[in-house]
Amino acid sequence: DTEVTQTPKHLVMGMTNKKSLKCEQHMGHRAMYWYKQKAKKPPELMFVYSYEKLSINESVPSRFSPECPNSSLLNLHLHALQPEDSALYLCASSQDHPLGSGSRGYTFGSGTRLTVV
Amino acid sequence: AQSVTQPDIHITVSEGASLELRCNYSYGATPYLFWYVQSPGQGLQLLLKYFSGDTLVQGIKGFEAEFKRSQSSFNLRKPSVHWSDAAEYFCAVDGSARQLTFGSGTQLTVLP
Repeated sequence: DTEVTQTPKHLVMGMTNKKSLKCEQHMGHRAMYWYKQKAKKPPELMFVYSYEKLSINESVPSRFSPECPNSSLLNLHLHALQPEDSALYLCASSQDHPLGSGSRGYTFGSGTRLTVV
Repeated sequence: AQSVTQPDIHITVSEGASLELRCNYSYGATPYLFWYVQSPGQGLQLLLKYFSGDTLVQGIKGFEAEFKRSQSSFNLRKPSVHWSDAAEYFCAVDGSARQLTFGSGTQLTVLP
């Protein structure tokens, strides 16, 4: 299995809703990532998990809450979002090396298209 | 800090013509370099990557890229473009930060 699976593919939520995005991989990758991509823009890094621990939080608002329950799963919990949070949310994984050496390949999921109304 | 520059926001080529998309990176050592393609509403598909060794890298769909350390460049090429190649192309770098940083992207339009 060489894929990263994201669910749902599309999500429409109100500003008072609570929802979660899910990401799953079975490649044995120990680093997982959340990216946010607005239309006509490159992906922007939100969070990095390395060995199930949050290692990078790129100053993301607290209405986005990541969770890594195990080495194969990554969730992004959403609460009280704003319309400007509408975007494509991409999950990725990579083989992380503790010493920072070795080759790393990144595999991306197909994304969740989120619309906040 | 690592960064990537894609100087061309939009490129238009005719089907069958050759293609070169430019990418320049900024990083103190040799980084890991990637090219991704994204069709509208889709995720990112890896075209090719450079880690070390041979500076000419072959990828999928007939793409290749050449790493030039002296120019801090990693340009993507294809000898003959197909209509299905129309998409957004992102160059990305992975340096000591151990995370991907993307360029702003190049939108490719292919004329029949």
